[in-house]
Amino acid sequence: AQSVTQLGSHVSVSEGALVLLRCNYSSSVPPYLFWYVQYPNQGLQLLLKYTTGATLVKGINGFEAEFKKSETSFHLTKPSAHMSDAAEYFCAVSASESGTYKYIFGTGTRLKVLA
Amino acid sequence: GAGVSQSPRYKVAKRGQDVALRCDPISGHVSLFWYQQALGQGPEFLTYFQNEAQLDKSGLPSDRFFAERPEGSVSTLKIQRTQQEDSAVYLCASTQTGTGSGEQYFGPGTRLTVT
Repeated sequence: AQSVTQLGSHVSVSEGALVLLRCNYSSSVPPYLFWYVQYPNQGLQLLLKYTTGATLVKGINGFEAEFKKSETSFHLTKPSAHMSDAAEYFCAVSASESGTYKYIFGTGTRLKVLA
Repeated sequence: GAGVSQSPRYKVAKRGQDVALRCDPISGHVSLFWYQQALGQGPEFLTYFQNEAQLDKSGLPSDRFFAERPEGSVSTLKIQRTQQEDSAVYLCASTQTGTGSGEQYFGPGTRLTVT
């Protein structure tokens, strides 16, 4: 079965600093990988996804993530944090191990941006 | 509709009552997922439909939980004899296809409080 681990339930960065949110996954078959963002009192919204092809994936709001198979990682980065980036971020994996797909989410990382 | 809708948005139930939560996915979306999100946690998979077929219900925590999607569009999650541990936000998501690589579109959730 697949699983996702997000290191750090809370991350604080200064405005303008690099954002790095960590995600490691486990899957016995090639996975599809996703990052979602959840703003307070709102639904989850897709930031970016990796399916096949280029391992560096660019998403909305300046975020990007790199799929590293050897490290089983899919870390999310943004060069310069903005106050509006404060939210909860979830990494998710989807893989078919029995003919059907289900999406497994990590426990989330709450990003705080300091002025 | 423009997105996934869920009703009611908030539900308070006395312990032992039955509740029914509704999800209206995006029109034409093949796959529909239900998740349970406890406070401070990531979405936990409950069940998955492809059209009207329930392909995976391995995440349903007990036989008090039942989900259906009889015509392949609207879905209902029913919880019988609610318990306090059922208190959570219940999220519904739909995807255009059933391939596992697609973006999940989430509804705003139903916050269930069992007193």
